[in-house]
Amino acid sequence: KAGVTQTPRYLIKTRGQQVTLSCSPISGHRSVSWYQQTPGQGLQFLFEYFSETQRNKGNFPGRFSGRQFSNSRSEMNVSTLELGDSALYLCASSLLRDLNRVLDTGELFFGEGSRLTVL
Amino acid sequence: AQSVTQPDIHITVSEGASLELRCNYSYGATPYLFWYVQSPGQGLQLLLKYFSGDTLVQGIKGFEAEFKRSQSSFNLRKPSVHWSDAAEYFCAVGAGNAGNMLTFGGGTRLMVKP
Repeated sequence: KAGVTQTPRYLIKTRGQQVTLSCSPISGHRSVSWYQQTPGQGLQFLFEYFSETQRNKGNFPGRFSGRQFSNSRSEMNVSTLELGDSALYLCASSLLRDLNRVLDTGELFFGEGSRLTVL
Repeated sequence: AQSVTQPDIHITVSEGASLELRCNYSYGATPYLFWYVQSPGQGLQLLLKYFSGDTLVQGIKGFEAEFKRSQSSFNLRKPSVHWSDAAEYFCAVGAGNAGNMLTFGGGTRLMVKP
C-alpha cells in the first residue's frame, strides 16, 4: 500500500510569489491534515479536510489556504510568500471513517514533506 | 487552549540503556495523547496513543507510555535502546471531537551512544 505522497519535495521561491503544494493520501483515507514545521515554532496545525470540506483551521493568516478534491487528494496554497514561510510542510492522512468516530482521530500517517525555502 | 511541554530538548543514552522521555500536557477535559517519532528527513510515525482505559499503553518498536492524570504527564519509555532509535520524538494532544487537529510539543532529540 503506497504511503502519503507529497510533491514537490523541495522548492525555492522568492518573497511575494505564491506556491502550491500537493498531497496524495493513502488509498481509502478521507481525512487530510496539513502541518507546518519550523525550528522556531515546531509543528503547527494548518488545516484539516474531510470529504472535500475544511473541518478545522489553525491560527495562520488568510494567505494560507487549501482544498481537497473528490479523490481525497489535497493541495495547499501560500500566497504572497514571506521569509518566515520557509518551513517543512507536512501532509498527513487518516482513516477517519466519519466525524463521530473520535477513536480514529489523531492516528496520522505523514508524508515526507515539502521543504519550502523563501528567499 | 491545550498545550504540550517536552522539558528535554536533547537526550543522550547508551545503547542498551533504558529510556524515558517526558511529556506534560495542559488540557481541560480528558486528553487524547500521542507519541510520534521523526527520523532525519522523514515524516512522523505514530508510536502509540492513549484515549482511555488502561493507563499503560504499548506501542510499536518496544515503546510504552504511561498516562498519569494527577501529574498531567504522558512519559514515553523503552527498556533497552537500540542505535536505530536515534530520532526526534514528539508528544501530542488532541481533543477527540476536534478531529486531527493535534497540538505538538517541541520535541526531544534522542542520540544513542555505541
